[in-house]
Amino acid sequence: EVQLQQSGPEVGRPGSSVKISCKASGYTFTDYVMNWVKQSPGQGLEWIGWIDPEYGSTDYAEKFKKKATLTADTSSNTAYIQLSSLTSEDTATYFCAMGTSWGQGVMVTVSS
Amino acid sequence: DIQMTQSPSSLSASLGDRVTITCRASQDIGNYLTWFQQKPGKSPRRMIYGATNLEDGVPSRFSGSRSGSDYSLTISSLESEDVADYHCLQSIQYPLTFGSGTKLEIK
Repeated sequence: EVQLQQSGPEVGRPGSSVKISCKASGYTFTDYVMNWVKQSPGQGLEWIGWIDPEYGSTDYAEKFKKKATLTADTSSNTAYIQLSSLTSEDTATYFCAMGTSWGQGVMVTVSS
Repeated sequence: DIQMTQSPSSLSASLGDRVTITCRASQDIGNYLTWFQQKPGKSPRRMIYGATNLEDGVPSRFSGSRSGSDYSLTISSLESEDVADYHCLQSIQYPLTFGSGTKLEIK
């Protein structure tokens, strides 16, 4: 069974960075790209980007190119998203998704 | 970028009603259209893929259809467990783009 287990909620101060993890199990991690999706409170879904864990190649939606950095550690089957220069607009739930499987989501709150 | 215009933004219907949600694509996306159901506090769940294909385990009252650039999700007879947000997603081209979502409630 494919499982994507994400890290816990994060609180970040404005201007700081946070890094969220997504640990994959139940499939060969390097065989599939991992997507990341943002959901602001009470809002719809936004695609952030994807990473190919085998090669480390990435693609981002334009608005996230300076905000998000996607990485992957094949030794631990874990994908990461780092969000930098946090503002209130980054307060949201962030999901990792592979195929039909989604992580449980991580709530990031930006607060001073 | 491909825009997905989803309507309505919210919908209140009675148990047993037939309910339809629509997404219109700004460019040709073929059948690269997925419908997700999202219940409060939960991750999205894929319900329909390839515009018309029902995901395993999804009740048969759900169906997907296409007419030109309009894609629809239909619930033939609304049940209480169908209360959720519904999202469409085009995956023919990056960046992937979602519709703005539909909140479905029971009247």
